[in-house]
Amino acid sequence: AQKVTQAQTEISVVEKEDVTLDCVYETRDTTYYLFWYKQPPSGELVFLIRRNSFDEQNEISGRYSWNFQKSTSSFNFTITASQVVDSAVYFCALGPNNAGNMLTFGGGTRLMVKP
Amino acid sequence: DVKVTQSSRYLVKRTGEKVFLECVQDMDHENMFWYRQDPGLGLRLIYFSYDVKMKEKGDIPEGYSVSREKKERFSLILESASTNQTSMYLCASSLSGANPTNEKLFFGSGTQLSVL
Repeated sequence: AQKVTQAQTEISVVEKEDVTLDCVYETRDTTYYLFWYKQPPSGELVFLIRRNSFDEQNEISGRYSWNFQKSTSSFNFTITASQVVDSAVYFCALGPNNAGNMLTFGGGTRLMVKP
Repeated sequence: DVKVTQSSRYLVKRTGEKVFLECVQDMDHENMFWYRQDPGLGLRLIYFSYDVKMKEKGDIPEGYSVSREKKERFSLILESASTNQTSMYLCASSLSGANPTNEKLFFGSGTQLSVL
C-alpha cells in the first residue's frame, strides 16, 4: 500500500523567512513519481513539480527548491525568502508506475506567510 | 489558457436529494477525475475516466456514480446525498498517457457541498 505523510499540518512564518515543507512517502514500487501541488485560497490546485524516482537530482526553480532523498523516502519542498503570495495549502503526492493504480495525496500543509 | 470549470462553487442540499456536480474541460484531455478533499485527509479519488463512456472506481466510490457522455464533460452524481458527503469536491483532467496517474493534473476550483 502506498502512503504519503505530511506531518506539518500548519506552518506560520514571517515574510522573507525560508520555510521547508516535509513529505515522507511509502511504496513498494521501484519506479514511481512524486509531485507537489499548491492550492491557493481560490481553491484550484496548481501543479508545481513532478519527479521520477530514478532522478535524484535536486531541483531549483526561482525561490522554490526540492530535495529528493530516496534513502529516507522524502521529497521536501523549500521556499526561500517567502512571500505573502506563497500562503496556500501544499500537497505532496505519490504516483505509481503501474497503470491502474492511483495517485496518493498527503494530507496537505497549510502555509501562512505573514507580512 | 487551459481551463477546468466546475459548475458551482458552493452547493447546499438536503439529505436524500440527488445531486449532480458538473465539470467541463476545454483542453481536449482524455482523462478526467473526481476527488473529494477533507481536512487532514488530503485528496481522495472517487472515480476517474480515461475515455468517453469509460469509468473506473477510485479509492472511495461508495455512494457516488459518474457519467461521461462527452469527452469534455465529467459528471459526479450523488444518488441520495448524506451528511457524510459534505466535502469539497475537485475535478481534474490530464492528457492521455500510458499511465494516467503520472500525468500532470489540471484542477477546477472545487465545489463545496454541504448536505443538511
